[in-house]
Amino acid sequence: EAQVTQNPRYLITVTGKKLTVTCSQNMNHEYMSWYRQDPGLGLRQIYYSMNVEVTDKGDVPEGYKVSRKEKRNFPLILESPSPNQTSLYFCASSSQDRGNGYTFGSGTRLTVV
Amino acid sequence: AQSVSQHNHHVILSEAASLELGCNYSYGGTVNLFWYVQYPGQHLQLLLKYFSGDPLVKGIKGFEAEFIKSKFSFNLRKPSVQWSDTAEYFCAVIPNSGYSTLTFGKGTMLLVSP
Repeated sequence: EAQVTQNPRYLITVTGKKLTVTCSQNMNHEYMSWYRQDPGLGLRQIYYSMNVEVTDKGDVPEGYKVSRKEKRNFPLILESPSPNQTSLYFCASSSQDRGNGYTFGSGTRLTVV
Repeated sequence: AQSVSQHNHHVILSEAASLELGCNYSYGGTVNLFWYVQYPGQHLQLLLKYFSGDPLVKGIKGFEAEFIKSKFSFNLRKPSVQWSDTAEYFCAVIPNSGYSTLTFGKGTMLLVSP
């Protein structure tokens, strides 16, 4: 089954403790992206990647890092999480032309206390 | 850069009522347009999309949307909503050019009362 898999689904952590949210897709998509979803703000793009070793900032990249060492994986790294990063995070992937839209993962609900 | 505006943040309807959710975008060139739905506690799922051709596109679950280029609009419609349509709906746009990304509106929460 074609899908985007995120882990974990839920995470509670403390301020400053580094964490990684994994994202993997099995559709051989070139394009991958991370969004955060907050009430009243919709989805805002954090980082995206056009292909392996090619990443770029989205609208809200501060406090986040990403890497794209393999085509299927696009982890999101929070080096020093803060409470304002409490949010619902979605990973998405798409073919290069993005003409068919994105396939989304199930989401990761992160709480930073 | 492109942007998307959704007219209503919350909409409340009774079952069998007709639905129209407004979406306007700003971008000077050709775009692809999407509507996504997010049921409570779930991820986003594609409802329908417009690339080119017939401006009236039909999606899943009886939804349709009409692209009006002169108005930069892509409104979502359904003739008769059901309780199971309760969800948040997102309009999204991506320019039809090389290195561009999908931009979402802030969403419209639809509550359908039985």
